[in-house]
Amino acid sequence: LAKTTQPISMDSYEGQEVNITCSHNNIATNDYITWYQQFPSQGPRFIIQGYKTKVTNEVASLFIPADRKSSTLSLPRVSLSDTAVYYCLVGERRDDKIIFGKGTRLHILP
Amino acid sequence: ETGVTQTPRHLVMGMTNKKSLKCEQHLGHNAMYWYKQSAKKPLELMFVYSLEERVENNSVPSRFSPECPNSSHLFLHLHTLQPEDSALYLCASSQEAIGTGTYEQYFGPGTRLTVT
Repeated sequence: LAKTTQPISMDSYEGQEVNITCSHNNIATNDYITWYQQFPSQGPRFIIQGYKTKVTNEVASLFIPADRKSSTLSLPRVSLSDTAVYYCLVGERRDDKIIFGKGTRLHILP
Repeated sequence: ETGVTQTPRHLVMGMTNKKSLKCEQHLGHNAMYWYKQSAKKPLELMFVYSLEERVENNSVPSRFSPECPNSSHLFLHLHTLQPEDSALYLCASSQEAIGTGTYEQYFGPGTRLTVT
């Protein structure tokens, strides 16, 4: 699993667009990028996954530049219920540990 | 509803008790995981079973004993726990395909364990 780096925390306001960037400089050629969301006292939930360029679903968009060394999760018009921890993972489980890391703690303010 | 169920949802046990956590996945996946999450800490991987064989044990104390009787069921047997073992225990499953560069984990709702 490629090492990732994310901001520890972010604050935003209701109705704003939020972008969370993840760095993954040692991403392997066939690795995908996956984002999870976790609410307190619940398990992480899959949000979106992509390989290159842009992926969009009903929840979020994922932007991946050509060099794939970073990715940006975009949440359009956030609400208070988007307050959660967001994790970026890269690749598949290999011999090293599955590491969710500390993620990004997003706090949405009214 | 993720297709992964866990029971019980809440458990209070004394340090001398023996209890078991159960996880069941209805997704046809070939890998299952136990995670521990203490208050405001990152998820800690405890055990991984792939194709019903344990493939990873991250130096978890022997008072935690996993069991995977088939690809749909996973247990975590607990005995002589310590108060610091109080945490949220999460089960997850995934479909592993080596070389695809991806996998998605589906998590259960967790068991909130309190050791008194």
